[in-house]
Amino acid sequence: AQSVSQHNHHVILSEAASLELGCNYSYGGTVNLFWYVQYPGQHLQLLLKYFSGDPLVKGIKGFEAEFIKSKFSFNLRKPSVQWSDTAEYFCAVNARGSTLGRLYFGRGTQLTVWP
Amino acid sequence: NAGVTQTPKFQVLKTGQSMTLQCAQDMNHNSMYWYRQDPGMGLRLIYYSASEGTTDKGEVPNGYNVSRLNKREFSLRLESAAPSQTSVYFCASSEPPRGDKFFGPGTRLTVL
Repeated sequence: AQSVSQHNHHVILSEAASLELGCNYSYGGTVNLFWYVQYPGQHLQLLLKYFSGDPLVKGIKGFEAEFIKSKFSFNLRKPSVQWSDTAEYFCAVNARGSTLGRLYFGRGTQLTVWP
Repeated sequence: NAGVTQTPKFQVLKTGQSMTLQCAQDMNHNSMYWYRQDPGMGLRLIYYSASEGTTDKGEVPNGYNVSRLNKREFSLRLESAAPSQTSVYFCASSEPPRGDKFFGPGTRLTVL
């Protein structure tokens, strides 16, 4: 079975600080990787995804993530956070080619940005 | 397109009551999923349906049943609600083998 670990449960930053949220997964095969964001009171929205190709993927709102296969990692980054980035962030993985498309989520990281 | 819709948005039940959470998608996706979200636990899969007419258990199926009524609709039923089922429930759909899911707005359920 696949599993996803997010190292930070709660991250607190000031505006303009740089952000990096860690994500590691355990699975021996080829995977698709995702970051979802959940703003307060809202449902999950896809931030970015990696299927294949360039391991550095760019998403919405200035976020990017880098897939490092040797480290089984898919860390999320943003050079300069804003107050509006306050949200919960979830890393997720599924086995590529899975006919079921099951997605395994990490426990989430709550990001709080102070203005 | 409405995407994924869920009803109701909020519900309060007493222990032992039953209810059905409704989910519908208009994206013609084959796969649909029910997750529950609890603080510090992330999202956990309750049941999923890979295609119309099939359903399978996820990580936490106990106390729940599902029905894939047609390609559009996937309902989740609590036969005898328990306080441990207090949670936020999200429905999602996708088109395998791609994994990116589209989520509904959620149902916040409280069981007293």
